[in-house]
Order: sequence, then C-alpha cells, then structure tokens
Amino acid sequence: GESVGLHLPTLSVQEGDNSIINCAYSNSASDYFIWYKQESGKGPQFIIDIRSNMDKRQGQRVTVLLNKTVKHLSLQIAATQPGDSAVYFCAEIAAGGTSYGKLTFGQGTILTVHP
Amino acid sequence: EAGVTQFPSHSVIEKGQTVTLRCDPISGHDNLYWYRRVMGKEIKFLLHFVKESKQDESGMPNNRFLAERTGGTYSTLKVQPAELEDSGVYFCASSQVYGGTEAFFGQGTRLTVV
Repeated sequence: GESVGLHLPTLSVQEGDNSIINCAYSNSASDYFIWYKQESGKGPQFIIDIRSNMDKRQGQRVTVLLNKTVKHLSLQIAATQPGDSAVYFCAEIAAGGTSYGKLTFGQGTILTVHP
Repeated sequence: EAGVTQFPSHSVIEKGQTVTLRCDPISGHDNLYWYRRVMGKEIKFLLHFVKESKQDESGMPNNRFLAERTGGTYSTLKVQPAELEDSGVYFCASSQVYGGTEAFFGQGTRLTVV
C-alpha cells in the first residue's frame, strides 16, 4: 500500500550544527506534507507543512524541501539546539478520499543534539 | 486555551479485559482523529470523527475496537477484549478546519496488555 518512510532512523549532531532529516514517500497523490516533532511523553507537535505544488517552505529555523521527481521530503533545522532533540515524523495528507486531514506517517527519525 | 487531553496517560491491563480511552479535543474542533503507534512501527490512523459522525473508520483493526463521540465533544475508544498486540500508544488529535493540515495531538495513552 501507500507509505511514507524515512532513510535514517537516528541522527546525532552537535549543538549549533545544521540538521537534515529525510523522508521518502510513495503516494504521488499526496496534497500536503507535514513534519511533526515528538518529545518524550508528549504527542506529535506540528512543525511545518508544504503543499505539493511547492518546492520549499521556510519557517523559524526550519526549512522543508520537497522533490516530487524523486518523491523525497527533507526537514532542515538551522543551528540545532538541545531542545530540538526529539523524534521527527514526516506525514502526508492525500488529496481527495473520504477523510481529508487523515495523516499517513513515516517511521520517525530520532534526533539527538549534543551540547 | 486547553489543548487536547487524553486519559488515562498509562494503562496496564490483562489480556481479555476491557479498557476505555478518552480524548477531549480542543473546544470547538469538529474534527477528531484517533491514531495508534505500536512498538517500533509508525503512527497509524484509526478513525476520524466530524462532530459526532464517523467520517472514516478504515483504520480500525477489528471489531474489538469501538469508538464513540456522543454529542460531538469528547470521544472514547474501547478495546474489548484486549489482546497482547493491542499494546501501544494511542493518540488523539483534533483540528478545527476540515481540510486543514494543522492537527493538534494529545499526549497519548500508553496501553500495555499483559
């Protein structure tokens, strides 16, 4: 079936470095792609989204890149801080269907930031 | 403003018992979703309510799972009888706008079936 997956399950960086978290997806009909951050003991927290007709979107310290040719999504975090340590999930919302807003998640990447 | 709240935060039950999880969405959010993360796997969709109606329950694993949202406010997810493979973290999320992308998640209920 359709799925959204991740290349790397873990990523360790030093404080101040830039982090890049990658995600591959298989559903060409996806309308939106979203990145969530999940800290220990908490639920997923929305970070940023990008619509399928865009290639790049920037937020505060984060940038999401979408390459539809190779069905690849990435999250770049600038000047990574210890507070960024968490599990990061990519997710997609398919266009159409009976349940808009339904998220299909990838496996998740554990980001660890060392002081 | 209160976020999405889930109760209990943890539950340990024996195989064959019944457990009911509760989710209180953000006030005014018509859309309520249930998701589940089984150990080591991705978060998977269970079902979607729009107000009190089930919009999509395609992710419900079997008929041992029953979700309700009477009155279109809080929702419950009952597992009866629980099996070992039901262990995992159950998340609830709500959103205000149908078709919007920003869903707000609760902290989850960790269910352990022994």
